[in-house]
Amino acid sequence: KNEVEQSPQNLTAQEGEFITINCSYSVGISALHWLQQHPGGGIVSLFMLSSGKKKHGRLIATINIQEKHSSLHITASHPRDSAVYICAFRQGAQKLVFGQGTRLTINP
Amino acid sequence: DAGVIQSPRHEVTEMGQEVTLRCKPISGHDYLFWYRQTMMRGLELLIYFNNNVPIDDSGMPEDRFSAKMPNASFSTLKIQPSEPRDSAVYFCASSYPRSRQETQYFGPGTRLLVL
Repeated sequence: KNEVEQSPQNLTAQEGEFITINCSYSVGISALHWLQQHPGGGIVSLFMLSSGKKKHGRLIATINIQEKHSSLHITASHPRDSAVYICAFRQGAQKLVFGQGTRLTINP
Repeated sequence: DAGVIQSPRHEVTEMGQEVTLRCKPISGHDYLFWYRQTMMRGLELLIYFNNNVPIDDSGMPEDRFSAKMPNASFSTLKIQPSEPRDSAVYFCASSYPRSRQETQYFGPGTRLLVL
């Protein structure tokens, strides 16, 4: 069993829709990261969370430590949000363990 | 800053050949990570360094893989001999945790194809 499970694996939506991507993990963690991988392959770190909620523009990330669950929300989605979104938990000092990613496609 | 720099961006080689991937981290960052990404296994940590010292190499698949960080501005990942199953995208990333941002900055990756 993977230590990190993301859902859905693939998501297609229309421009403007509210998007939610989920991440569940099975071990105690010190922090959880959300990453975005562009169609060209580049990876960008979006958030690092250890509790509560963080917001950056149209992106919101939440984490519930007790339930071992995190969500990434995108408001007013846009075709440029199309990417693979990856959650990863930090194990120990710096080691990241990654989920398999959620491929998001936003159609105009 | 130019960000994390990796070279080459693409590498095609034949089975049995030695492959060397290079990484220049962001200046001032004291952590450096090597990751591998494949369709089957996703992103995996291979090894990471702190202040040029390898801290965790448990993700290095086997003895054919080796990584070095001779100084704060340069690291190499070497595969010798290479095999077709090593075909993947290899990412280098760096971070400066004491900034409390703990963000890892990824390089553009090296796409390796072993024939």
